[in-house]
Amino acid sequence: SAVISQKPSRDICQRGTSLTIQCQVDSQVTMMFWYRQQPGQSLTLIATANQGSEATYESGFVIDKFPISRPNLTFSTLTVSNMSPEDSSIYLCSVDNRGLTDTQYFGPGTRLTVL
Amino acid sequence: RKEVEQDPGPFNVPEGATVAFNCTYSNSASQSFFWYRQDCRKEPKLLMSVYSSGNEDGRFTAQLNRASQYISLLIRDSKLSDSATYLCVWTNSGYALNFGKGTSLLVTP
Repeated sequence: SAVISQKPSRDICQRGTSLTIQCQVDSQVTMMFWYRQQPGQSLTLIATANQGSEATYESGFVIDKFPISRPNLTFSTLTVSNMSPEDSSIYLCSVDNRGLTDTQYFGPGTRLTVL
Repeated sequence: RKEVEQDPGPFNVPEGATVAFNCTYSNSASQSFFWYRQDCRKEPKLLMSVYSSGNEDGRFTAQLNRASQYISLLIRDSKLSDSATYLCVWTNSGYALNFGKGTSLLVTP
């Protein structure tokens, strides 16, 4: 299985600011995904990060609010822009299992609190 | 109607008990199903895939019923370490996973 790290692990931010979350994988992967898990809720897919092309966003999420980079096959970033308290959540990146199955491995998550 | 529905619980069971969770889905195009486990303040981890023929992994048995559109997870001989939230997950041929809200299990001594 892939080993995934995320930075920062947690942060407390002021409203109106932006935070960039990094996701690093120990091996090359085709697909990387960004999810959000709001308090007491399950995971919701934000976008699929594609290497060499723009990210694909799910309904309700837009690039201006959640810009994503995917410069290579082992790294991606998610930025939460112009934050409000409603953005307080855990943000998780995940990677596909080398395309062999539909299973995914998740990073440890970034716990964001917006004041 | 929500695409995936799970009883949120919590299920409180004594050690050694057998407990079963169900998850119903509404999208008949759903192709692949999984159970993930999420411990408190941790990331989700794959517990097992779910096949129509049923599959077993130690104390855990998963079953898919396409006709009735539900999947199930059976845990036998519950351990304290089984306490977690169990997430019903599906995908329809894409790579994106869709998560249920989870069923909370607490195994007590």
